Amino acid sequence: DAGVIQSPRHEVTEMGQEVTLRCKPISGHDYLFWYRQTMMRGLELLIYFNNNVPIDDSGMPEDRFSAKMPNASFSTLKIQPSEPRDSAVYFCASSLDNNQPQHFGDGTRLSIL
Amino acid sequence: SQKIEQNSEALNIQEGKTATLTCNYTNYSPAYLQWYRQDPGRGPVFLLLIRENEKEKRKERLKVTFDTTLKQSLFHITASQPADSATYLCARMDSSYKLIFGSGTRLLVRP
Repeated sequence: DAGVIQSPRHEVTEMGQEVTLRCKPISGHDYLFWYRQTMMRGLELLIYFNNNVPIDDSGMPEDRFSAKMPNASFSTLKIQPSEPRDSAVYFCASSLDNNQPQHFGDGTRLSIL
Repeated sequence: SQKIEQNSEALNIQEGKTATLTCNYTNYSPAYLQWYRQDPGRGPVFLLLIRENEKEKRKERLKVTFDTTLKQSLFHITASQPADSATYLCARMDSSYKLIFGSGTRLLVRP
């Protein structure tokens, strides 16, 4: 079975540019999560969706960050404009419901110069 | 706020020994705790879930305990192997039904 698929795996861009990260969850999973992982702060939840609807975006750091889930098989996390402090690994995860284990993609390593 | 804490120092053990990792939490006991494994450059992979009414759970060489009095979960790997070397994360659900992860403990198993 295909797991959670994220793209790109690596992204290097200059500050001020728009960055779009993509995620395809596991088919049939109703929940989708976006996390950010850094050495300083560990793994932090940014936002999560249930049945394509954003439920909690309290972890989104600033208005520069936005996330969408136009359908059950695709989600994007956008940063505009990007800043060097946004450099981190961004993970997408999905689960059958909110009390079930989460399945993570292999992340996007983002570097903002 | 609910916090979850893991030993940030790496655990370095000899192959064949039992590795024991600790996860401590604050405030009320969560309904369950989850343990994940993360390898470098990869996403976390779910290992075990233990509910508050379960004292212990096993899966092959893995064992997890949940002590609501001590507010602690212990994660054991018996007969450890170099392939067990990774970072292990514990996680709990907070009052907003969001999963909060600990910072992880890195395990190194020497051959």
